[in-house]
Amino acid sequence: KAGVTQTPRYLIKTRGQQVTLSCSPISGHRSVSWYQQTPGQGLQFLFEYFSETQRNKGNFPGRFSGRQFSNSRSEMNVSTLELGDSALYLCASSFASGGGYNEQFFGPGTRLTVL
Amino acid sequence: GDSVTQMEGPVTLSEEAFLTINCTYTATGYPSLFWYVQYPGEGLQLLLKATKADDKGSNKGFEATYRKETTSFHLEKGSVQVSDSAVYFCALSATGAGSYQLTFGKGTKLSVIP
Repeated sequence: KAGVTQTPRYLIKTRGQQVTLSCSPISGHRSVSWYQQTPGQGLQFLFEYFSETQRNKGNFPGRFSGRQFSNSRSEMNVSTLELGDSALYLCASSFASGGGYNEQFFGPGTRLTVL
Repeated sequence: GDSVTQMEGPVTLSEEAFLTINCTYTATGYPSLFWYVQYPGEGLQLLLKATKADDKGSNKGFEATYRKETTSFHLEKGSVQVSDSAVYFCALSATGAGSYQLTFGKGTKLSVIP
């Protein structure tokens, strides 16, 4: 089975621009979560999608948004980029059958640099 | 809210030394606990997990026991190898309301020297 894939792997943008990151989960997985990783704040939860619905959201401004498609692929968008948005953005997928914990499998991440 | 506190590194050990990375948590209810490992340039890999009190997770020589009384989940390995050099994250998941959000510690960078 192919793992979680994220595109692009690297991205350079300037302040004020917007960016879209893509995540393809493992086949059959219905839950996709996004995390931001920075040296200062560590790993922080952005949001989780399940069957095209946002099920949970972290404490991030409205500039950060996401969506999930019917094939479970997910995108996250950041508008009006700020220098502080420079980070590694990780996507994780889970089968999410309900009840108890379903292991989350992480992709390699997209490294976003904002200049 | 939920939180995870782990010892911050970096930690440098000689090959075959004993490893302990401390992790304590604060959460309501009964969270599941995890250790993830991140190798340079890669995403996170699940190293081990425990879903209830007194469970011991183990994998690749690493072990951690879910201690509810001390709210801890310390990671141990009896003899580290150079290939264990990575960043280790302790995490919890409070799986209420059908969401699998993970709350992570800050990470501990381990370097093992020959």
